[in-house]
Amino acid sequence: DTEVTQTPKHLVMGMTNKKSLKCEQHMGHRAMYWYKQKAKKPPELMFVYSYEKLSINESVPSRFSPECPNSSLLNLHLHALQPEDSALYLCASSQAGYLSSYNEQFFGPGTRLTVL
Amino acid sequence: AQTVTQSQPEMSVQEAETVTLSCTYDTSESDYYLFWYKQPPSRQMILVIRQEAYKQQNATENRFSVNFQKAAKSFSLKISDSQLGDAAMYFCAYRSVEGGSEKLVFGKGTKLTVNP
Repeated sequence: DTEVTQTPKHLVMGMTNKKSLKCEQHMGHRAMYWYKQKAKKPPELMFVYSYEKLSINESVPSRFSPECPNSSLLNLHLHALQPEDSALYLCASSQAGYLSSYNEQFFGPGTRLTVL
Repeated sequence: AQTVTQSQPEMSVQEAETVTLSCTYDTSESDYYLFWYKQPPSRQMILVIRQEAYKQQNATENRFSVNFQKAAKSFSLKISDSQLGDAAMYFCAYRSVEGGSEKLVFGKGTKLTVNP
């Protein structure tokens, strides 16, 4: 199984809503990532979890709150978002530690988020 | 900090022909990894090919091959016998080999159109 799944596929929310994005993988990867991707742009790294601990936070606003409940799951909690946060949110996973550099990141299909 | 440059925002190729996508990067490191990722209109990003900087031999995966010029810091992707399914955004990416370095540095991407 070389699949990263993400739910929901599409999400529309108001600026006062609270919602969560979910990501799951069963490849035994211990590094998981959240990216934000605007149309026709490359993915921008938001967070990295390594062995279920937050290892990288790319100065993301606190209205985005990541969570890694276990080695297979990654959540992104959303609260009080702005319209400019509308984007495709991609989850990825890979080997962690010294293996992470060589091994590819497997990407999920993404969640298309629209903030009204 | 490392940077990756893709100087061709868009390219087109006739079906069955060959096309080369260019990528240059800047780094002070002597060892690293380079990747080409493909993102079709369905938006799921997949790995096309990877190259270890310490290997002089250019990587090849079926119809996809790279021309890796370490001194020139160039990493171009050649697609032979282009197929309609090759139409996608192609991102060149750099990854450090430093322990625990999970960050991928992406170029801005090249949109490839394949004409029947």
